[in-house]
Amino acid sequence: SQQGEEDPQALSIQEGENATMNCSYKTSINNLQWYRQNSGRGLVHLILIRSNEREKHSGRLRVTLDTSKKSSSLLITASRAADTASYFCAASLYGNKLVFGAGTILRVKS
Amino acid sequence: ETGVTQTPRHLVMGMTNKKSLKCEQHLGHNAMYWYKQSAKKPLELMFVYNFKEQTENNSVPSRFSPECPNSSHLFLHLHTLQPEDSALYLCASSHPTRSYEQYFGPGTRLTVT
Repeated sequence: SQQGEEDPQALSIQEGENATMNCSYKTSINNLQWYRQNSGRGLVHLILIRSNEREKHSGRLRVTLDTSKKSSSLLITASRAADTASYFCAASLYGNKLVFGAGTILRVKS
Repeated sequence: ETGVTQTPRHLVMGMTNKKSLKCEQHLGHNAMYWYKQSAKKPLELMFVYNFKEQTENNSVPSRFSPECPNSSHLFLHLHTLQPEDSALYLCASSHPTRSYEQYFGPGTRLTVT
């Protein structure tokens, strides 16, 4: 069964609002990563949070990790129309294997 | 651009055809991956190559045959595919010392008729 499961499946917000996406996973991880995918394109790495970290920031992105609940959240602040994309969490297991969730489709309306 | 290229970008093939997908990276990475992305399903890892050696085969049917002649190139040879194999096939690579962060190509949109 898949490791990462995101919710919500789809999110529609107005430009300027914040967007929060959640991810849950099932087993122990080395780290958890978030990727973005524009329609029909490849995935772009956004941010990585290690299992011993609780929060990480990168520009307008804020990621939290709760290993006791096996969950992570991605917050995008002051969203822009260009943030419209699918967002995936990926659990890093042993070695260099990543297991992806089904993704959250984010639509930012201008 | 992530530095990972894939060709062709679109491919339509019949079930009796043989075709190959190509992936290339010049980022100095030592690991390369094939993923399958179907509509409304999570990304599925198919194969992993580390230093040109296959280290992961995620129960992929034999009609998909990977080849990694060197650390910069990865191929996926396709033969006698089924319509359910239609999907976006993504290649990725990762850096030797930051192996957890993967760089993805734009994908090949495959349609099997």
